Amino acid sequence: AQSVTQLDSHVSVSEGTPVLLRCNYSSSYSPSLFWYVQHPNKGLQLLLKYTSAATLVKGINGFEAEFKKSETSFHLTKPSAHMSDAAEYFCVVSDNPTGRRALTFGSGTRLQVQP
Amino acid sequence: DTEVTQTPKHLVMGMTNKKSLKCEQHMGHRAMYWYKQKAKKPPELMFVYSYEKLSINESVPSRFSPECPNSSLLNLHLHALQPEDSALYLCASSQGLTTDTQYFGPGTRLTVL
Repeated sequence: AQSVTQLDSHVSVSEGTPVLLRCNYSSSYSPSLFWYVQHPNKGLQLLLKYTSAATLVKGINGFEAEFKKSETSFHLTKPSAHMSDAAEYFCVVSDNPTGRRALTFGSGTRLQVQP
Repeated sequence: DTEVTQTPKHLVMGMTNKKSLKCEQHMGHRAMYWYKQKAKKPPELMFVYSYEKLSINESVPSRFSPECPNSSLLNLHLHALQPEDSALYLCASSQGLTTDTQYFGPGTRLTVL
């Protein structure tokens, strides 16, 4: 069975400082991994996706994530936070246990950006 | 274009009302999904359609009735809802069931009085 653990429910950073949102996963198969962002009262926007190609994945808005199989981690980073990055971030794993892909969501990390 | 649209944006209904949520995509995707999201929680899968046929029903109460009239449209019919059904309802689509990238719509905020 697949599972996702987002290690921090809430992260607060100052504008212009680095962002690190942590995610560990468990999967019995070769998973795909995603980060989605959700701004208040909005839908989910895909930030980036890992599918067994390059382990360092670049996404939109300056975000990137590194897949580390040995650590079963897929942490999201950004060098410099912007006020508009304040949102809820979900780490998602997808594997293929029955011939169809099923998404498992982490519990979410709320990113707060202080001016 | 990776846009999924949903209407209405907001919906308030009484427990005896019948209403419908609508979702549309024009990306040629053949899998479409309904999720329910309560405040400060991740989305929970409700239904999956693949090639306009119901593929997955995650034990959702019968007061929620999905419909997929064509490959671009997905409806969720609501009847006799309870206040605890108040939530953000999200629609998503993907190229196929085995293609895992899902694209989400903005959601419908439903309030049941």
